Amino acid sequence: AQSVTQLDSQVPVFGEAPVELRCNYSSSVSVYLFWYVQYPNQGLQLLLKYLSGSTLVESINGFEAEFNKSQTSFHLRKPSVHISDTAEYFCAVSNRDDKIIFGKGTRLHILP
Amino acid sequence: ETGVTQSPTHLIKTRGQQVTLRCSSQSGHNTVSWYQQALGQGPQFIFQYYREEENGRGNFPPRFSGLQFPNYSSELNVNALELDDSALYLCASSPLNTHGAYEQYFGPGTRLTVT
Repeated sequence: AQSVTQLDSQVPVFGEAPVELRCNYSSSVSVYLFWYVQYPNQGLQLLLKYLSGSTLVESINGFEAEFNKSQTSFHLRKPSVHISDTAEYFCAVSNRDDKIIFGKGTRLHILP
Repeated sequence: ETGVTQSPTHLIKTRGQQVTLRCSSQSGHNTVSWYQQALGQGPQFIFQYYREEENGRGNFPPRFSGLQFPNYSSELNVNALELDDSALYLCASSPLNTHGAYEQYFGPGTRLTVT
């Protein structure tokens, strides 16, 4: 069975500071990994994904995540956050079957 | 290109009633998945429909049922509503020939409140 653990339920960070949102997964087979973002009162948007190939994946708005198979991690990072990054971030895993397994989410608070 | 749309946006029902939620998939997508997101939780997979047939189901009771239509739109039906069914219900569609989970695009959701 697959599972996803997001180690922090909330992460406060000052504007323009770096941030890391942690994610660990468990799976007995090869997986695909995702980060989704949910802005207040909205649905989920795919931020980035790892399917195969390079273990470092990037989004168009400055986020990146690195797939680490030995540590079963897929942490999300951004070198400098902006107030517009305030949102809930969900790490998710799939083994290309019929469903995505989501973590419980990490709420990113950008402090003034 | 129109994205995934869901209706209604909000809904209030009484315990024991039945509800139908609707989803229109993104153009060119033939697979629809439904998720339940309780307050403060991540989305939980309910089921998926591919070519009008159920293609996988999560740990939800039979009173959660669905349909997919020839135009790939979908309905989620919940009978005998319980208070714990209060949640945001998300629909996601996947493009042709990639009905695996790695290309799901989500709608804005329907917020269901059961009183």
